[in-house]
Amino acid sequence: QVQLVQSGAEVKKPGASVKIACRATGFNLMNYYMHWVRQAPGQGLEWMGRINPSGGSTTYAQTFQGRVTMTTDTSTGTVYMEVRSLTSDDTAVYYCARGGDFVDHWGQGVLVTVSS
Amino acid sequence: DIRMTQSPSTLSASVGDRVTITCRASQPISTWLAWYQQKPGNAPTLLIYKASSLEGGVPSRFSGSGSGTEFTLTISGLQPDDFATYYCQQYNTSPFTFGPGTKVDI
Repeated sequence: QVQLVQSGAEVKKPGASVKIACRATGFNLMNYYMHWVRQAPGQGLEWMGRINPSGGSTTYAQTFQGRVTMTTDTSTGTVYMEVRSLTSDDTAVYYCARGGDFVDHWGQGVLVTVSS
Repeated sequence: DIRMTQSPSTLSASVGDRVTITCRASQPISTWLAWYQQKPGNAPTLLIYKASSLEGGVPSRFSGSGSGTEFTLTISGLQPDDFATYYCQQYNTSPFTFGPGTKVDI
């Protein structure tokens, strides 16, 4: 079955970077976009962008352009997202998710806490 | 960016009720709309895509309708498992923005 297993929780200081992994199993990663969505504590969902693992093309929300990089390692079936120059506003649960344009399967989420 | 709004923000209901949630887009999005359910501490799950297509395994009491700028999610016969927060998302134009959510509680 489709599974998206994300790396563990992170605690970072302001100004640092974080790189989150998402390992995909149960489907051919090359046939789907992989999206990233975040959710600040008690808040709604925010779409960050997506990557096409077949070729590596990316689309980022303008809010994150220049500060986020999404990559794929097709040999391990893993997608990554790096967020740089973290601030307390980046404290959130970060989800990877499979889809075309809409998402049909989600990872379990990774809590990233940014605190001095 | 396309702005999504939802109403109401909170909805109090009882088991067995028929519940309707409205989602509006700031510009036409045809039927490129999805609905998700999220329970506390869990990732969202897909309910509806293309405005009215039911995702496999989702109970038939969930239905979606609409096109253009106005959409609805209806739960016919609310069940205890349905108390959750519901989000709409447009995927007509990047960024694929979400609505702010509607919390359905008792």
